[in-house]
Amino acid sequence: DAKTTQPTSMDCAEGRAANLPCNHSTISGNEYVYWYRQIHSQGPQYIIHGLKNNETNEMASLIITEDRKSSTLILPHATLRDTAVYYCIVRVAGSGGGADGLTFGKGTHLIIQP
Amino acid sequence: EAGVVQSPRYKIIEKKQPVAFWCNPISGHNTLYWYRQNLGQGPELLIRYENEEAVDDSQLPKDRFSAERLKGVDSTLKIQPAELGDSAVYLCASSMATGWYEQYFGPGTRLTVT
Repeated sequence: DAKTTQPTSMDCAEGRAANLPCNHSTISGNEYVYWYRQIHSQGPQYIIHGLKNNETNEMASLIITEDRKSSTLILPHATLRDTAVYYCIVRVAGSGGGADGLTFGKGTHLIIQP
Repeated sequence: EAGVVQSPRYKIIEKKQPVAFWCNPISGHNTLYWYRQNLGQGPELLIRYENEEAVDDSQLPKDRFSAERLKGVDSTLKIQPAELGDSAVYLCASSMATGWYEQYFGPGTRLTVT
């Protein structure tokens, strides 16, 4: 799986949009971009994933650049409960790829300020 | 719907002692994963099961670690004997066997070896 690069930490004011960047310049054509987050003392939680089109769900939006070398996770109205470590992961698609283990980096520690 | 259940949540043992962790995945999830998370790092895959079969155990230190998933449901991860460097959080996750289903993580077991 391709590697990702994320900032170590970020701050965001409560109620504002939190934009978390991720670089994945060596991503392959069959690799998806996944985002997970891990709140303190909990296991990681799936947020969203995408291939090339922008995606939105009830938790967040995922914007993937046209060349697919980078992406941004957007939390539209951050709350204190969004304080967590956010992991950007790229993983191979295809038969069996969806069930493979995840390769986590160190992620971005997002701190929501009151 | 019940999530992934792990026990115990915390365990403190002396080095050279054995220890076991238990995981009950989400009902109907055929794929089960064990991860280890060191302080300040992302989780690292130890082993992946498809039903009863361990299909990826390449990262499992086989000299002291063992795992089993009898009947393709619950799983146990064992360390014998434990070393100081085994202190970490051990996470269990489960997912559906096919497609791009996300992995659902349990809260983890925090192991401290003294």
